[in-house]
Parts: sequence; structure tokens; C-alpha cells
Amino acid sequence: NAGVTQTPKFQVLKTGQSMTLQCAQDMNHNSMYWYRQDPGMGLRLIYYSASEGTTDKGEVPNGYNVSRLNKREFSLRLESAAPSQTSVYFCASSDIRDRQPQHFGDGTRLSIL
Amino acid sequence: GQQLNQSPQSMFIQEGEDVSMNCTSSSIFNTWLWYKQEPGEGPVLLIALYKAGELTSNGRLTAQFGITRKDSFLNISASIPSDVGIYFCAGQYSGTYKYIFGTGTRLKVLA
Repeated sequence: NAGVTQTPKFQVLKTGQSMTLQCAQDMNHNSMYWYRQDPGMGLRLIYYSASEGTTDKGEVPNGYNVSRLNKREFSLRLESAAPSQTSVYFCASSDIRDRQPQHFGDGTRLSIL
Repeated sequence: GQQLNQSPQSMFIQEGEDVSMNCTSSSIFNTWLWYKQEPGEGPVLLIALYKAGELTSNGRLTAQFGITRKDSFLNISASIPSDVGIYFCAGQYSGTYKYIFGTGTRLKVLA
């Protein structure tokens, strides 16, 4: 029972490169989320998908795109990476209608040089 | 962006002491969640609260959903070294799928 799985765990990019972060959940949750966490700060919502086929912007969406590939998978794409996007990225899933609270993956540590 | 007010920001306590922390919001929430995060890992859910006044325990941890629905409290009894970490609260508004997170309480336990 893996819960929420994120890949890769670590990545180093050069400015201007593109990359897709992958996330999959096996809890049959309807909603999925991408957050970023910067040193000494809490979690800030980048994008979320309330249900399969829908995506919405969160608090800090600029420079990112997302795809809800199916109910299990939600990917985050950086089209042209910038140093300001150096962060730890967390994926989460939940099912509010079934009172299934939000569970997180272990994160992707991304450095952009 | 909006974040919850979480206090204290950090705590240094002796092993065996009890710990209290809280989160407050200017808005009403339907759900309060409490998480613990250890270095290099994702937040782990500790307690979920769904009703005003609700008091829920998980081992030595007890959390309460404030009656005004604008605050929540987490208590840890008889702290041990493995309680070290950052504790986050999160609230969810009625009619939305989004959660708002507090800025965290960093707990250090001195043996």
C-alpha cells in the first residue's frame, strides 16, 4: 500500500531546461494537489485537480503547468526552469466528499542552477 | 497568499513535558488537519477533525476543533525525543477542495 508516490526524488536542472514531475496515488482519491515548500516556510499550493478532468490554479501557479492524466496520476511541468523554482515539491491526494483527508508523498527535491 | 497563524513558531522542551500549539484563522473552516514533518520527508497526517468542538486523540496526541470554527489546538503529552519535527495545521473551507496551511511549529525535545 504505497499511498502517494512521487518521482524523481532528486533532480538538478540548468536554467531554461524543462522537466515533468510525476505523482501517482493508489487510494482511489478524487482530488490531487501540487505544493512547493521553501526553507522555513509552510506549504504553498501550486495547482490542484478537484476531480479527474479538472485542474485549477492555486496560490503560486506562474511558471508551472499540470496534467491530470487519469484518476491516479497528476503531473507537474516546468517548461523553462528558473532558479526561483528551486524548492521541494510535494504531491498530495484527498477525497473531501468521502472525508478522506489529504495524504502527501515524500517529495521531489529540485535544484535549478 | 493566505496562511493560517500558527503559534508558537518554535519550542524547546524537556523530555516528559506536555506541549500545546494552536492555529487561528480569520475564516471559518469545515475541516482541520494536523501534520508532522521530519527532515527529508513529506508531512504525515496525525489527526483529522470535521466538527466544531470535536476532540480527537491519537496516542499521546490530542487535537480539538474550536467551537468558533476559526481555530484548532494540538496537545502532546509526555513528550519523547522522537516527537521532534515540524507540526503543521491545515484548514479547508466549505465548498472548496483547497487546504490552507499554517507556517509550522518547530518542536525540539531535550533529553
